[in-house]
Amino acid sequence: GENVEQHPSTLSVQEGDSAVIKCTYSDSASNYFPWYKQELGKGPQLIIDIRSNVGEKKDQRIAVTLNKTAKHFSLHITETQPEDSAVYFCAASFNQAGTALIFGKGTTLSVSS
Amino acid sequence: DSGVTQTPKHLITATGQRVTLRCSPRSGDLSVYWYQQSLDQGLQFLIQYYNGEERAKGNILERFSAQQFPDLHSELNLSSLELGDSALYFCASSVGVQPIYEQYFGPGTRLTVT
Repeated sequence: GENVEQHPSTLSVQEGDSAVIKCTYSDSASNYFPWYKQELGKGPQLIIDIRSNVGEKKDQRIAVTLNKTAKHFSLHITETQPEDSAVYFCAASFNQAGTALIFGKGTTLSVSS
Repeated sequence: DSGVTQTPKHLITATGQRVTLRCSPRSGDLSVYWYQQSLDQGLQFLIQYYNGEERAKGNILERFSAQQFPDLHSELNLSSLELGDSALYFCASSVGVQPIYEQYFGPGTRLTVT
């Protein structure tokens, strides 16, 4: 079936470093790719998204890149801060009947000061 | 705060029982999605409703059902509960019917089946 693979599963960085999380998807028809941040005890929070007609999108310290040919997309966080510590999920839309967003398994990011 | 509300926050019940989880979408959103989050399966899409009608089904068990009411709030009914149903249940809302619109998640309901 359709799936989204996410790597790495855990990532530890020092405050101020950059963090990169990568995802690949299987359905070439996917056209929407959101990223969510989930803190302990809370619901996933949409932090940035990209659509298939765009290659890169930035919002302050976070950016997402999309390579449709290779079917992969990445989240980049620069100048990491301790409050960036959370679980990050990528997702891809599958527009066939019976599907919605397919999520990756998540990346636990730890930023130490 | 996403604007999506879910009740209750926690639910503890016994095997074989039935529970109802409630979700109110953001103002103006017509779609409600239900997801199950467990440690081993991650975030799994269960079912979507748009403006009162079922629009998409994912990995939802036959023991589970949902509905969306005229005021757009939605309920997820889980019956004949098993230990393996213990998980976090999230609803998300969006403005459109296709999964290309931003989905905003509620705080979730933690279900514990004993």
